[in-house]
Amino acid sequence: DQQVKQNSPSLSVQEGRISILNCDYTNSMFDYFLWYKKYPAEGPTFLISISSIKDKNEDGRFTVFLNKSAKHLSLHIVPSQPGDSAVYFCATRLTGNQFYFGTGTSLTVIP
Amino acid sequence: DAMVIQNPRYQVTQFGKPVTLSCSQTLNHNVMYWYQQKSSQAPKLLFHYYDKDFNNEADTPDNFQSRRPNTSFCFLDIRSPGLGDAAMYLCATSRDTLAGVIGTDTQYFGPGTRLTVL
Repeated sequence: DQQVKQNSPSLSVQEGRISILNCDYTNSMFDYFLWYKKYPAEGPTFLISISSIKDKNEDGRFTVFLNKSAKHLSLHIVPSQPGDSAVYFCATRLTGNQFYFGTGTSLTVIP
Repeated sequence: DAMVIQNPRYQVTQFGKPVTLSCSQTLNHNVMYWYQQKSSQAPKLLFHYYDKDFNNEADTPDNFQSRRPNTSFCFLDIRSPGLGDAAMYLCATSRDTLAGVIGTDTQYFGPGTRLTVL
């Protein structure tokens, strides 16, 4: 049973506009949330994270929002750049090094 | 400057023939993970090591085993690969940054090994 869901397999955005990637989870015990970015032929690389005690974390163009009541996580990229085109995975952590990943959203930023 | 290295990048094996995938790290991280990712699916955690302490996920088949002879290396052994085991296998590492709060730091992934079973 998929505990982390990314319902949009793909997203296209114009360069300079905002990209919003969404993630839903089912387990309220998750205490840490992460976003990874993956280019073809490479492993996922860490992008940004948020603890369950926060509702927002910002790092440059990337902001992650956490809505615990809705069990919803989102990643905002502003402004989007062509180099942001990649597959984005959200991941959640259960205490004890158990990580659960979503299926990924493929983002294409159109120049 | 590679930090998490996986060898080989592509592995072809025959149905039922044991295969070993290798992962090494230069980060000196305590924790090492193995994930299986099938096409269009989420990476699925198989197991992880915290130092020498092995932690198996409840639904990981017995066909999958792991060894960690030292901090730097971790191996994934598939004893009798089936067609359904064809996938990308990802190795990752992390360190515990806060006392008693393991895994709050990010995971660093290798490029993966794509396994084909004929």
